[in-house]
Amino acid sequence: GAGVSQSPSNKVTEKGKDVELRCDPISGHTALYWYRQSLGQGLEFLIYFQGNSAPDKSGLPSDRFSAERTGGSVSTLTIQRTQQEDSAVYLCASSTGLAGGLLWDTQYFGPGTRLTVL
Amino acid sequence: GENVEQHPSTLSVQEGDSAVIKCTYSDSASNYFPWYKQELGKRPQLIIDIRSNVGEKKDQRIAVTLNKTAKHFSLHITETQPEDSAVYFCAARRGGSQGNLIFGKGTKLSVKP
Repeated sequence: GAGVSQSPSNKVTEKGKDVELRCDPISGHTALYWYRQSLGQGLEFLIYFQGNSAPDKSGLPSDRFSAERTGGSVSTLTIQRTQQEDSAVYLCASSTGLAGGLLWDTQYFGPGTRLTVL
Repeated sequence: GENVEQHPSTLSVQEGDSAVIKCTYSDSASNYFPWYKQELGKRPQLIIDIRSNVGEKKDQRIAVTLNKTAKHFSLHITETQPEDSAVYFCAARRGGSQGNLIFGKGTKLSVKP
């Protein structure tokens, strides 16, 4: 079946502009995660959704970052007033998110959106 | 919170040799440890994972070992091939939740023919 998809694949924007990044998880996956990968760095957790709720927003770096998920499917990560330090690859992942304490839920990643802030 | 350290940051081996990448974690409540491979410009792909109730897991040329007492886990690749060249990330997830993975900073593996 189809994997996780993200759009756009590349986004170049000017400092101070707002951007929206989209993630389409694998069909039926209730858990969705956003990570950020700066050049040559590991993956930094941003936010996690279970259904439409975000129980863990601890990784959002500032109040310029927000995310929402509607219909338990598509998620949008919004960055307001972008700064040059926001330049990175933004990766989305999804997992089945089965209830009942499935602790070893595999996360499947999308191809990412490469954001460049000029 | 959890912190994952990964070593080495770069590793170069000759084709056919073995490669070992090591990670340590800080949160004793972590109980799931996946390894991801990321080729240049591609998405991270899960290659193997291990749960805390298991000490070792193998899948063909890849194996992972876990030492819960010492809080470290390792990836072993035997008979390396040029297509194994990539960045490898270890990660840990805390038990009791389906929350985020905490990743190491990655190891760039180069396999020379």
